[in-house]
Order: sequence, then C-alpha cells, then structure tokens
Amino acid sequence: DGGITQSPKYLFRKEGQNVTLSCEQNLNHDAMYWYRQDPGQGLRLIYYSQIVNDFQKGDIAEGYSVSREKKESFPLTVTSAQKNPTAFYLCASSIQDRGQRNQPQHFGDGTRLSIL
Amino acid sequence: GESVGLHLPTLSVQEGDNSIINCAYSNSASDYFIWYKQESGKGPQFIIDIRSNMDKRQGQRVTVLLNKTVKHLSLQIAATQPGDSAVYFCAENGNYGQNFVFGPGTRLSVLP
Repeated sequence: DGGITQSPKYLFRKEGQNVTLSCEQNLNHDAMYWYRQDPGQGLRLIYYSQIVNDFQKGDIAEGYSVSREKKESFPLTVTSAQKNPTAFYLCASSIQDRGQRNQPQHFGDGTRLSIL
Repeated sequence: GESVGLHLPTLSVQEGDNSIINCAYSNSASDYFIWYKQESGKGPQFIIDIRSNMDKRQGQRVTVLLNKTVKHLSLQIAATQPGDSAVYFCAENGNYGQNFVFGPGTRLSVLP
C-alpha cells in the first residue's frame, strides 16, 4: 500500500542528545513537510521541502534540522538546542500541482518524542 | 490566527444523529480548505476538501459548507457512528505555495 511511514512511534531523548525521526513515503510526492503538534494547538510547520536537495524553514525551525537527499525520505533531527522537544511530530507529503492549485497533504502516523 | 489552549472544544452526539463541526478561518484570501480526522495516537486523515469557488461539497456521509462572507467552514457528518469519534480540524490555504494554517480542532464524542 502507498503511504507515509514514520519511525519510531515513540522516542525518548536524553539531555544534550540529538535524535533523528524518520519519514519515508512511497507516494511519489515531491513535497514533504514536518509539523509539531502540541495539546490543544493547531499543527505548526517546522520545515518543508518541495524538491530533492532543497528545503525551507517553517514557523518554528529553531532547534531542528532536516535533509532531503532522496525524494522518498525527509528525516528530521531534533537537536539539543531545542529546549522543549516533547511533542507529537507529524510528517506529511503532497503532490506539486503543475496547474498551481493547492493540494491536500497526507500524513504519517507520527512520532511521540519525550524527554528522559 | 493560532488558537492556544490545552483543552479542545468537545461535541457530544448520540449515535445515529447528525454532527456539525465548525471552523472559523482567519485569512479572507484563503481559497482552499480541508477537513481532517485524527484518532488518538494516529496521524490526521484527509476527509474532504473544498475550493473557494464552491460553497458546498458532499462526500460519503460528510458535507462541507463554506461561507466566505463570514469566513466560516463547517463539516456535517450524517448518521454519526462510534467510529467517528475523533478530533476534527480544518486547514486553510491561500495562494499556491503558501503554507497551510491548521485549526486546533474539535473533539467529537459519540454516545451509545
């Protein structure tokens, strides 16, 4: 089945540690996104990538880093500089419409990151 | 704009009744809207979308209504079932290439 796979489902981070969240899609989508979800709040955009080897900061990029070496993969690293990393992290992807019409984003099942 | 709060508004409905979930969006230039369903511990699932050149769109058991005059979006679920229990949130987008803005959501609870 086509879809977006995030791993691991649960992740624990120690103080001063960097951790990497995996996101893989087999939908052949050009664009990929990382969001952070906190209780009672709307999704907030961390980083996004519209094409391989290119990515842009979202609204809350500080303390995070990404790479886009392959179309299928968009890993997110939560660095030790992110002082409040406990959240539910969601990866999404979408097609790029050549008619320049917005298209829906499709999401993985998330990674819950907690601090030890 | 962004709503902040620890507790989501909750809508409780009897099984078999119709549900109406509302969303007030912020940007009058937004022209594309999506409703998502999110079950506990899972990612958001696309339900239905609508573009600003329409004011109503129907899917299977769901209808989305768009009122651009008052910047209001609603999701109607017919004959609500226990499996409909989840958090529902809307997303809006303006010009192509802009990022989506997501609402905080409403928790739908279906009573037996």
